[in-house]
Amino acid sequence: GAVVSQHPSWVICKSGTSVKIECRSLDFQATTMFWYRQFPKQSLMLMATSNEGSKATYEQGVEKDKFLINHASLTLSTLTVTSAHPEDSSFYICSARDMGTSNSPLHFGNGTRLTVT
Amino acid sequence: AQKITQTQPGMFVQEKEAVTLDCTYDTSDPSYGLFWYKQPSSGEMIFLIYQGSYDQQNATEGRYSLNFQKARKSANLVISASQLGDSAMYFCAMSYTGTASKLTFGTGTRLQVTL
Repeated sequence: GAVVSQHPSWVICKSGTSVKIECRSLDFQATTMFWYRQFPKQSLMLMATSNEGSKATYEQGVEKDKFLINHASLTLSTLTVTSAHPEDSSFYICSARDMGTSNSPLHFGNGTRLTVT
Repeated sequence: AQKITQTQPGMFVQEKEAVTLDCTYDTSDPSYGLFWYKQPSSGEMIFLIYQGSYDQQNATEGRYSLNFQKARKSANLVISASQLGDSAMYFCAMSYTGTASKLTFGTGTRLQVTL
């Protein structure tokens, strides 16, 4: 089945630094990927839609300058948390759908747990 | 706007018994998809089952079945013959069909399977 790989699985960084998270579709092409954020014991909230070859679409309330998204190829999207602060500590998870298969579900990466100290 | 509601923050079920996790939704769009995902403590999101709004029959996948009642706007997940490994968070989600699966999630239900 379709696999989405996310890296790193966890990262600890100091306040003020930037962190890049990668999301790769391993055996299918994804023109669109999605980035979600999940606080402890809460649901997943969509942050942005990553579009290959064009600008990402951000959900209301998400700072585009803080959460930079780049979808450089049909298999890779990156999320960069710039100038991270402790309140950015969260679980970030990406997802993608195999556009070549009808009715295929959204496949998720294993997530990245970010801790900002 | 779409809205997903899961009213059960936590559920307990005995091993080998069946359990129903509730999900109701609200949308004005006639075309939509309903999903259930399992999230174990490791954090990964595991796809379980999908129901399209125009599907005539309830979806089934192994021990998982979806009780789809369109008029009531409910899409409850039924897990039969529960196993200890079923203990996890379960999320109901909805998408507009044809939007490349932009999902709106419910708040989740934590299922605990006991001996």
